Amino acid sequence: AQKVTQTQTSISVMEKTTVTMDCVYETQDSSYFLFWYKQTASGEIVFLIRQDSYKKENATVGHYSLNFQKPKSSIGLIITATQIEDSAVYFCAMREGPASSGSWQLIFGSGTQLTVMP
Amino acid sequence: DPKIIQKPKYLVAVTGSEKILICEQYLGHNAMYWYRQSAKKPLEFMFSYSYQKLMDNQTASSRFQPQSSKKNHLDLQITALKPDDSATYFCASSQDVGGGNTLYFGAGTRLSVL
Repeated sequence: AQKVTQTQTSISVMEKTTVTMDCVYETQDSSYFLFWYKQTASGEIVFLIRQDSYKKENATVGHYSLNFQKPKSSIGLIITATQIEDSAVYFCAMREGPASSGSWQLIFGSGTQLTVMP
Repeated sequence: DPKIIQKPKYLVAVTGSEKILICEQYLGHNAMYWYRQSAKKPLEFMFSYSYQKLMDNQTASSRFQPQSSKKNHLDLQITALKPDDSATYFCASSQDVGGGNTLYFGAGTRLSVL
């Protein structure tokens, strides 16, 4: 069964610095997809970035990038030049490939609360 | 304008009653989902639908019944409500179900059962 683990409950950083949030996953499937979402204080859940397991290059979108370490089953989210408005809960999620029954569901980690301080 | 509309935003119900949570998406997606988020818990997958067909059900209770009248609608009927059902229920959609399809979420319906 697939599983996603985020061990960092909360992180505080100063504005304009770089932060990395950790995520490890478990899957028996050779093909899978990894996602990061953030949940704002209002409760809105926003898609940020994704990494496909067959791609060796780390994904980058704006000031979000990923550190994909496949042998370690790890997908870290890196936010550079953090801003106050980046304060939110960040969720890592995984879905297995289309050949797996686990492909019907996107499984989430427990989340990491990021606080960016001025 | 929001592309995934959930109604109502807040809902208060008494134990034992029945409620329907509404979800409509205007993204042209073929797959829709329901997730539940309880206080201090991660997002919990409930159902996935593709072209109005149930693909996966991870809810243990038959009290939760999705209803899809159109491809872009997936309502959630909850019967015999219990206080433990109190949570925020999120609807989501993706172009197609499975694999690398990215999910997009609605704003949620916060349900409180007294």
